[in-house]
Amino acid sequence: AQTVTQSQPEMSVQEAETVTLSCTYDTSESNYYLFWYKQPPSRQMILVIRQEAYKQQNATENRFSVNFQKAAKSFSLKISDSQLGDTAMYFCAFTPGTTSGTYKYIFGTGTRLKVLA
Amino acid sequence: GAVVSQHPSRVICKSGTSVKIECRSLDFQATTMFWYRQFPKKSLMLMATSNEGSKATYEQGVEKDKFLINHASLTLSTLTVTSAHPEDSSFYICSARAREGGTDTQYFGPGTRLTVL
Repeated sequence: AQTVTQSQPEMSVQEAETVTLSCTYDTSESNYYLFWYKQPPSRQMILVIRQEAYKQQNATENRFSVNFQKAAKSFSLKISDSQLGDTAMYFCAFTPGTTSGTYKYIFGTGTRLKVLA
Repeated sequence: GAVVSQHPSRVICKSGTSVKIECRSLDFQATTMFWYRQFPKKSLMLMATSNEGSKATYEQGVEKDKFLINHASLTLSTLTVTSAHPEDSSFYICSARAREGGTDTQYFGPGTRLTVL
């Protein structure tokens, strides 16, 4: 069975500092996609970053970057220069991709991040 | 990024009535949409996959006669909670699948808070 694990239920970071959220997954698929979504208090799910498994280069989006370790099945999110607006719940998600015929996401349980002023 | 709207954002109804929630992809066509339920401080629980022009695929344990899904066009899916009861009170979120640069990504609506009295 495919699973996604986020082992850090809660984290905090000082404003302007860097924080890393961890995510591990389990799959037998060779090609798949990984995502980080942010859910602020408004509860709107916002795509932060995505990674295609066949790409070795780690994805980056401004202050957000990932450390994708395919062999270790690890997909951590690094937030640099943390801002108060980064306070949110962060979900890691996995989908096996189009070759499997399913587009469903498997979500982790989330990490609640609080940025401190 | 792609935009998904959801209506209504909040609804309060009496026990035994039915409630319809609409999910629209505003700037793209979505052959596949998803309906989730989210309990407080929990992850998203997939209820069903909605495919345009065909029957929805429900996850195990989700009553298809209670949660009716219709995906009549490439931009609209609806979820009808029939004969709602207080235990159906929850936050319901839809998403729409978009294909961007060879990657399937889900974009989420802002959610609907349902309260059944």
